[in-house]
Formats: sequence, C-alpha cells, structure tokens
Amino acid sequence: GIQVEQSPPDLILQEGANSTLRCNFSDSVNNLQWFHQNPWGQLINLFYIPSGTKQNGRLSATTVATERYSLLYISSSQTTDSGVYFCAVRRGGTSYGKLTFGQGTILTVHP
Amino acid sequence: DTAVSQTPKYLVTQMGNDKSIKCEQNLGHDTMYWYKQDSKKFLKIMFSYNNKELIINETVPNRFSPKSPDKAHLNLHINSLELGDSAVYFCASSQGTGGAFLYGYTFGSGTRLTVV
Repeated sequence: GIQVEQSPPDLILQEGANSTLRCNFSDSVNNLQWFHQNPWGQLINLFYIPSGTKQNGRLSATTVATERYSLLYISSSQTTDSGVYFCAVRRGGTSYGKLTFGQGTILTVHP
Repeated sequence: DTAVSQTPKYLVTQMGNDKSIKCEQNLGHDTMYWYKQDSKKFLKIMFSYNNKELIINETVPNRFSPKSPDKAHLNLHINSLELGDSAVYFCASSQGTGGAFLYGYTFGSGTRLTVV
C-alpha cells in the first residue's frame, strides 16, 4: 500500500512563530487532505489539495504531486493551533476512496 | 446542522458486552467509512460503504459488523468487546468514487470507546 511520512514528528513553538510541516508519499495520489486534530479530538479538515497551492487565513498548503510531497505552512502561530496535524492521501487510479494517514505532527504552541 | 454526526460521543462498557455506534451524514454523500484511531493516534480505515454496498473491508475481526440501512447512515456493531477494542472510532463520508471523487472527506467528531 501507499506509504505516508510526516515530519517533524513533534514541533514546539512560541506564539507568533512560523512553521512548515511536510508530508511525503510513495505513490501517485488523486486526493490529499490536511487535517487538524484539536485537543478535544475533533478532526478538522484544513485543506483538500491534491495539487497546487491554497491559502486560508494564516494557513496555506502546497502539493507538488509530481514530486510526491505536500507542505503545510502555519504563520503567526497561536496557542489554538496546538494539536496533531495529519496528512492523508488516496492512491491515484483507485476506484474506492480509502484514505491512508500519516503518523501526524504534534504541534505545541506556547504563549 | 452537523454534517457527519456520531452517537454516542463516549462509551464505557465491560468486556464481553455488545455495543453499537451510529453515524449519520446530511451532506448527500454516497460513500461512508469507519476509521479507528489507536492510542498512538494512528488512524486506519476499517470499512467503507458506497450506496449501501460494502466496498472496503480491511483486516478487522468479524466481531465488528457494519450496517448501512441507507446511504446517509452507517452503523458499527461490535460483539464480545475486548480490552484492545478501546480506541476512538471516526465515521466519515465523501462524494463519488473513481473519477467522480470530489472535495475530500468529512469526518464526524468521533466516539471514544473504553472497554473495562
């Protein structure tokens, strides 16, 4: 099956700092999503981004499908950004929508 | 007007019991899923239904039985619960399969199951 690797596994920031999270995947994909799991356990969909660049407020994401990676940028981080960030992909050419998740990046933002 | 809703949010039960988790989506999606998140936060698919038909069945003990009465509902029944079943179970939905896949997945808020 497709492999998804996220880095770094843990990240500690001071409020106001910027950060970049990376997701590498081992095969072509037709779906890639970034999720934030908040401290209450909810999985929040941040971006649906199989290719290209998107921005939403302080967050932006870029996927370079031909090179099999995606980046999530967080600018001016806030304590509410703390939680686990997951990248999830669906292999290209598959008929059914099985998402494979990376192991996540645990982000802690200190005031 | 929650998009994907699961009940209950928390479930504490004794070993050997049978329990069910319910999931409903009001997005008009035609595919629904159950994912399991273990204690190390790893998320893995268990089942997927497309228009009430089972299309993905990962290596899951047959004590777990999904049921989809219609395309808006996907329930998960677990028989003879074991300590190792303790986890967070997420329901999700998406629209379309194959070339018609659009917009990604929407997840429910999860059900934390604790077996004691």
